Amino acid sequence: DAGVIQSPRHEVTEMGQEVTLRCKPISGHNSLFWYRQTMMRGLELLIYFNNNVPIDDSGMPEDRFSAKMPNASFSTLKIQPSEPRDSAVYFCASSLTRDRAYEQYFGPGTRLTVT
Amino acid sequence: AQSVAQPEDQVNVAEGNPLTVKCTYSVSGNPYLFWYVQYPNRGLQFLLKYITGDNLVKGSYGFEAEFNKSQTSFHLKKPSALVSDSALYFCAVRDFRSDTGRRALTFGSGTRLQVQP
Repeated sequence: DAGVIQSPRHEVTEMGQEVTLRCKPISGHNSLFWYRQTMMRGLELLIYFNNNVPIDDSGMPEDRFSAKMPNASFSTLKIQPSEPRDSAVYFCASSLTRDRAYEQYFGPGTRLTVT
Repeated sequence: AQSVAQPEDQVNVAEGNPLTVKCTYSVSGNPYLFWYVQYPNRGLQFLLKYITGDNLVKGSYGFEAEFNKSQTSFHLKKPSALVSDSALYFCAVRDFRSDTGRRALTFGSGTRLQVQP
């Protein structure tokens, strides 16, 4: 298995532009998570899907952020409009949560820089 | 709410010496605990987990963790550190809520391990 795939790996954009991050979870996994990591705030859970349905989006910073999971093999995280404070590394992770202990498997991340 | 605490921001150890990275937990019910490692410019990688059974859990790269119920701790250990073990280490706990269907992990703040040659 290729693991969790994220694209792009790096994104540099100007303030005000729309940014779309993409994630392909591990085949067969039924849960998908989007995280943001910064030096100041550490690792933050933004949103969590189970069976393609958003379960918990309490970590989404504000209305500029939105996430979708149209099918079991694809998810997007969109920021519109982007701001410099959105600069961070964004991780996608997937998990099989039918088991008791559901370890998560992380993608390589997308490093976003907003100038 | 389930939570874990990593009291040390950084741990320094000489190569060849034993290492310990500390984690304490606070949960209702049985704890399901995890350790992850993050190398520079990489995603988090699963190292090991405790569900039930032996208090000493063995994982990847020679790491092990000791579950201690009385001290509510789950410290990560390795008998002999390597320079290549230098990375960021995260402790995590299962966060399960039957009312919402939430099945997630709650991560600690991370501990940076620096192994000096």
